Amino acid sequence: DAGVIQSPRHEVTEMGQEVTLRCKPISGHDYLFWYRQTMMRGLELLIYFNNNVPIDDSGMPEDRFSAKMPNASFSTLKIQPSEPRDSAVYFCASSSQGVLGEQFFGPGTRLTVL
Amino acid sequence: AQSVTQPDIHITVSEGASLELRCNYSYGATPYLFWYVQSPGQGLQLLLKYFSGDTLVQGIKGFEAEFKRSQSSFNLRKPSVHWSDAAEYFCAVVESGGSYIPTFGRGTSLIVHP
Repeated sequence: DAGVIQSPRHEVTEMGQEVTLRCKPISGHDYLFWYRQTMMRGLELLIYFNNNVPIDDSGMPEDRFSAKMPNASFSTLKIQPSEPRDSAVYFCASSSQGVLGEQFFGPGTRLTVL
Repeated sequence: AQSVTQPDIHITVSEGASLELRCNYSYGATPYLFWYVQSPGQGLQLLLKYFSGDTLVQGIKGFEAEFKRSQSSFNLRKPSVHWSDAAEYFCAVVESGGSYIPTFGRGTSLIVHP
């Protein structure tokens, strides 16, 4: 198995632009998680899905952030409009064991908003 | 508010020496406890977890952790460190009976000298 796949690996954009991050979970995993990692705030869970349905989005920082999971093999995290404080590494993870089970992380997308 | 503290930002050890990374939490009841490792440029990997039962938990890569309720601690240990253990280590806590949103510590960076 290829593991969790994220694209792009690096994204540099200007303030105000729309940013879309993509994730392909491990096949057969029914939980998908989006995390953000920054120096200031550490690692934070933004949102997670079960069977393509958002279960908890309490970690989503603002309405500028949105996440979708149109099918079991694809999810997006969108920021519109982007701001410099959104600069971070965004991780996607998937699991077949629920929220308390082992999560398999992708390599992350490093986002820089100028 | 719930919190997770990793008091050591950096730890340096010599290869072959023993290791202990500290983690303290503040919760009312016994939470679910996790240790993750993050190698440079990669996502997190689960080392071990504790839910209940035996307070000494064995994990992958020769790591173990001990839950001490009286000290609200869940310290990670390894008897003999290898150069490949150099990485960032994160303690995470999930409140039992809560929203299952994990709270991560700020991480401890492990440096291994030959």
